[in-house]
Amino acid sequence: RKEVEQDPGPFNVPEGATVAFNCTYSNSASQSFFWYRQDCRKEPKLLMSVYSSGNEDGRFTAQLNRASQYISLLIRDSKLSDSATYLCVVNKGNTGFQKLVFGTGTRLLVSP
Amino acid sequence: DVKVTQSSRYLVKRTGEKVFLECVQDMDHENMFWYRQDPGLGLRLIYFSYDVKMKEKGDIPEGYSVSREKKERFSLILESASTNQTSMYLCASSGTGTANEQYFGPGTRLTVT
Repeated sequence: RKEVEQDPGPFNVPEGATVAFNCTYSNSASQSFFWYRQDCRKEPKLLMSVYSSGNEDGRFTAQLNRASQYISLLIRDSKLSDSATYLCVVNKGNTGFQKLVFGTGTRLLVSP
Repeated sequence: DVKVTQSSRYLVKRTGEKVFLECVQDMDHENMFWYRQDPGLGLRLIYFSYDVKMKEKGDIPEGYSVSREKKERFSLILESASTNQTSMYLCASSGTGTANEQYFGPGTRLTVT
């Protein structure tokens, strides 16, 4: 079983749609969680951290369910510029170190 | 703006050659990381360093070594390149703390023939 699993997609949605991505992780001791965004042929960049209480940043909402070891990302009012691959990332490091495990990504295509 | 730079965008080497990939960050970050990214496998951690001259193995260290002589510079070394090391190599840096953002360089596409 992969440590972080995501549906690879692609998710094809029209502009203005709401789309949700899910991710599961296997290490119950994981402490911090993130969504990174990666544009085609570019490096990954942090989209948002994911907190236990859930968090929102504009059109983006992230949720964490520790009991089910499940993370989600909701994008509302999709824009063309949201087209990218979204990477679910879990920190499995302990003793204060970062050892990030990346999912293989979910590809989103937003069309006019 | 945080900047992480890598010495080459594209590199072609022959099997058996020694390969050096260099990474430099300008934000005085303590942590530096080397990943490789392959289709269907995602990013995988090769090595990381949390301080000068310190290094820790990641998930796939076999066939690689690293060097961190200065805080801003982290080198990845392929002692004897093999075709299965053809990949995109990404360097990243971050400050201390498990929740800090990792900033990535643009990547080096290495082809071993």
